[in-house]
Amino acid sequence: QQQVRQSPQSLTVWEGETAILNCSYENSAFDYFPWYQQFPGEGPALLIAIRSVSDKKEDGRFTIFFNKREKKLSLHITDSQPGDSATYFCAASGTGNTGKLIFGLGTTLQVQP
Amino acid sequence: ETAVFQTPNYHVTQVGNEVSFNCKQTLGHDTMYWYKQDSKKLLKIMFSYNNKQLIVNETVPRRFSPQSSDKAHLNLRIKSVEPEDSAVYLCASSRLASQNTLYFGAGTRLSVL
Repeated sequence: QQQVRQSPQSLTVWEGETAILNCSYENSAFDYFPWYQQFPGEGPALLIAIRSVSDKKEDGRFTIFFNKREKKLSLHITDSQPGDSATYFCAASGTGNTGKLIFGLGTTLQVQP
Repeated sequence: ETAVFQTPNYHVTQVGNEVSFNCKQTLGHDTMYWYKQDSKKLLKIMFSYNNKQLIVNETVPRRFSPQSSDKAHLNLRIKSVEPEDSAVYLCASSRLASQNTLYFGAGTRLSVL
């Protein structure tokens, strides 16, 4: 039973477009939501993260929108570049959860030039 | 810049053999983890250690055993591998145990024939 769900499984956009990656969760105790980016042959790397006290977090072209009531969040990548082509994982954890992150299955993004 | 080092990169073995994977981090972090990434890219925590103490031990088969000599090293031994153990094993570290950025290594891909 997936506690963190992501959609779509894969996404293709053109260079310059905005890619929207969705994530939802079930556990109301989750209050920390990082997004990790993984390129083939590499380990995941933290891209951006948000805590449940905020409804938006921005870092350059990457923005997380968070809706606590609906237990949903989304990652928006504006002005997508071919170098953004990767798999994006939404993850979640709760306070005092010994750092245990629950990951979604990921969204594989392809940005076409 | 790589700061979590895993060896080997790739290992092929037969059912019933014993394998051992090494992980070293040079970030001075207190907490280290082993994650398993299966063929569907699902990332699942197996173990985490904080200052050489086991703090998370998920429900994994008993043939898996982590080994920590100091807080910079966390190895993983698998006695008598099974076909379902084929996966990428990712080592990670974080400064603290709770809700901190995870820094992942590039992973060890295990193929069990």
